[in-house]
Amino acid sequence: GENVEQHPSTLSVQEGDSAVIKCTYSDSASNYFPWYKQELGKRPQLIIDIRSNVGEKKDQRIAVTLNKTAKHFSLHITETQPEDSAVYFCAAVGTGKLIFGQGTTLQVKP
Amino acid sequence: GAGVSQSPSNKVTEKGKDVELRCDPISGHTALYWYRQSLGQGLEFLIYFQGNSAPDKSGLPSDRFSAERTGGSVSTLTIQRTQQEDSAVYLCASSLAGQNYEQYFGPGTRLTVT
Repeated sequence: GENVEQHPSTLSVQEGDSAVIKCTYSDSASNYFPWYKQELGKRPQLIIDIRSNVGEKKDQRIAVTLNKTAKHFSLHITETQPEDSAVYFCAAVGTGKLIFGQGTTLQVKP
Repeated sequence: GAGVSQSPSNKVTEKGKDVELRCDPISGHTALYWYRQSLGQGLEFLIYFQGNSAPDKSGLPSDRFSAERTGGSVSTLTIQRTQQEDSAVYLCASSLAGQNYEQYFGPGTRLTVT
């Protein structure tokens, strides 16, 4: 069935460094790829999304890249700050329902 | 405007009892989702409602779980004969018009089965 794999499961970086989280998906019909951030004890919130007609999208310090041929997409956070510490979920929508990755716990050390 | 709301925020119940969890989506959103999130885990899809279409129930873990959405708005998730493994946070989300739109999550209901 449809599947989204997310790596790494945990990521620790020094404040100011960059962080990259990668996801692969199995459904070649997938055309929408959102990223959600969930801070401890809070609800998930959309931080950026990309549709299949573009290869990259940026919003200030965050960017997402999409490689449809390889069926993978990545989240890039530059100049990380302690408030970026959270769990990040990627997701993909194809012919079926939205499938979430397993999540990446990002820790930004001051 | 008002976001997605859920009630109760916390529910403690004894094993074997039935529970009902409520979700009020954002007004005008036609799609509604239920997820389960165990401590430190990911988002487990349970059920998806879209307009007047038949719901996608493929994520419900057993026949003890059911959900309905009345009048295309409020949704209730019912768990019958609760078990300890049902303990988790149950999140509801809504989106404007289906899976290709941003999902807005509610604050969740923390269910504890003793």
